[in-house]
Order: sequence, then C-alpha cells, then structure tokens
Amino acid sequence: QQQVKQSPQSLIVQKGGISIINCAYENTAFDYFPWYQQFPGKGPALLIAIRPDVSEKKEGRFTISFNKSAKQFSLHIMDSQPGDSATYFCAAGARGYGTSGTYKYIFGTGTRLKVLA
Amino acid sequence: DAEITQSPRHKITETGRQVTLACHQTWNHNNMFWYRQDLGHGLRLIHYSYGVQDTNKGEVSDGYSVSRSNTEDLPLTLESAASSQTSVYFCATQGQGGNEQFFGPGTRLTVL
Repeated sequence: QQQVKQSPQSLIVQKGGISIINCAYENTAFDYFPWYQQFPGKGPALLIAIRPDVSEKKEGRFTISFNKSAKQFSLHIMDSQPGDSATYFCAAGARGYGTSGTYKYIFGTGTRLKVLA
Repeated sequence: DAEITQSPRHKITETGRQVTLACHQTWNHNNMFWYRQDLGHGLRLIHYSYGVQDTNKGEVSDGYSVSRSNTEDLPLTLESAASSQTSVYFCATQGQGGNEQFFGPGTRLTVL
C-alpha cells in the first residue's frame, strides 16, 4: 500500500532522444507527486511536481504525465542532453501524515539515466 | 543563502561503535528528515521531526535514534554500527505546510 514502484532501474538514451521513467503507486491518499533529480555526489533536488487533478504538467523539456485511474505517472525528458545524466526519483506524498498538514513522502527506487553525446 | 550542511561527508567506522551524523540547516524549517540511500532501495525514511522536542520513526528506524533540541539541528545516531548500515545518509528539511523537501549533500558511511 505504501510502495512506489519505479522503472526502469537504468536507462541509456542518445542525445536528442526522449527519456521516459515510469512510476506506480497504490495508496489513493497520495495527492502530490514530485520528481527529484540527483547528480553524483549531491543531494536530490526537486525537478517538477504534479497534483492528481491535472493529467500533464510541462516545464521546459520536462513533462509529467499522470493517469489517476491507473495510479501511474511518468517523467518524460524531451531532447535529452548529456547534462541530464543523473538519477531520478519519483515520490508520492500526502498531507496529514503528521502535524500541521506537512507532507511526508514515499520515494521510488530511482532510475539512473545516462545520455550519450 | 539558506542551506543544509551535513558532517562528516565521509566516515569509516567499525562494527559496534556509536556514530553520530550531524545535520544543520539555516532555512528555519520546522520539519527535518533523515533518509538512507541504497542501490535498489532508493531513499528510505529513517526518522523525522516536526519541531523541537518532536521525533518520529520512519520505515527503517531500527538501530538509529535522533534528538531535536533546537530548530537548526537534527543529529542522527547509530547506537551500535552494523555493516548493514553502510549507506549514504541524507538530511532534508521542509517548510511548514510546504511541499518541497530540500536535501543536504549527504554523508557516506562505511561500517567495517
């Protein structure tokens, strides 16, 4: 119920190609779905996030597609660049797990993306 | 600029020793979290705190403890280090009512 399943574990894409990472969740209490990007030796940083009341959110080359009925969401990186090479984590969160409505997240297992020049 | 610092950045210790990892933030956030990152497991929550004197167990809390005596710091203690606790540890903060978690640079811990 609390798991977030992420695939693939690793991904190699040619420069200019599309990178697609998929996540699935089970708990319908989740209502906020961020993606974090992590470069080697650094902590994760928020990349883009979506709420389940919309089916798609786009920020530059990064798009989240959300399928509420299937409880799945995915990250699409258009025109992938070598600088996008990083580990990507999806997450699912809900308010009310703790005090003052603070979100607490369950993270996916991560996808290591390598974009070839 | 507000930031999160973790120390040490690298630590090698022996089985059975007590180890404390420091996390200090200048965001003035009430909410602080400790995660461990392992290949194939992603980020797993160890402990978290919603304010001074508040601590809560996460999904992998066995063998770890935290204490929160001020807003800025949430040290993570491994009471008796085990080889299974070899990992990269991340501290994160989150503003009250906010969505985004801000992560520190991590501490790589090796238990021999």
